[in-house]
Amino acid sequence: EVQLLESGGGLVQPGGSLRLSCAASGFTFTNYAMSWVRQAPGKGLEWVSTITGSGDTTYYADSVKGRFTIFRGNSMNALYLQMNSLRAEDTAVYYCAKGMVGSTTFDYWGQGTLVTVSS
Amino acid sequence: QSVLTQPPSASGTPGQRVTITCSGTISNIGSNTVNWYQQLPGTGPKLLIYSNNQRPSGVPDRFSGSKSGTSASLAISGLQSEDEADYHCAAWDDSLNGVIFGGGTKLTVL
Repeated sequence: EVQLLESGGGLVQPGGSLRLSCAASGFTFTNYAMSWVRQAPGKGLEWVSTITGSGDTTYYADSVKGRFTIFRGNSMNALYLQMNSLRAEDTAVYYCAKGMVGSTTFDYWGQGTLVTVSS
Repeated sequence: QSVLTQPPSASGTPGQRVTITCSGTISNIGSNTVNWYQQLPGTGPKLLIYSNNQRPSGVPDRFSGSKSGTSASLAISGLQSEDEADYHCAAWDDSLNGVIFGGGTKLTVL
């Protein structure tokens, strides 16, 4: 059974940093691209970033480019999102999502972790 | 503001058929396949339909998807109370070089 468990969310001041983690199990982690998708309170979903299975290619939404970094630890079956220079508009539930092979479809999602950026 | 446009709400009574639309442009729906995700209250999204009209294993055939031009639709037949959820459409956008979502449609079963 595929399981994705996010952690690392919390309250941070504007301009601060936070690192999110996602522990993956139930599939061969290195074979799949992984992504972060967020959802601001009462809003729709917003794609944040994607990393290929090998970790050698990354993609970012314009809204986070230059501030967020996605990376993965394939030996640990873990996905990470380093978030710097956080802004109030980054406040959201952040979901870890597994990609389908050769597709931009997200076939499994975690339960999410809440990030609140406020002074 | 979302790049894909969905109605904010939809409703139906048990047993009815409901359709949710998703409107885009040539750079997203017009050029790429559409996925639909179901999000039950307080949970993470679940893949409901992929590649316009394909159902993952375990998704009832009451759920179906279609695409025409720059628009897509999700149809739910034989509506049940457990279908009450938020439904999100998504597609790759060639201009933005990323995945885009609709604003989500909250389905209420009356």
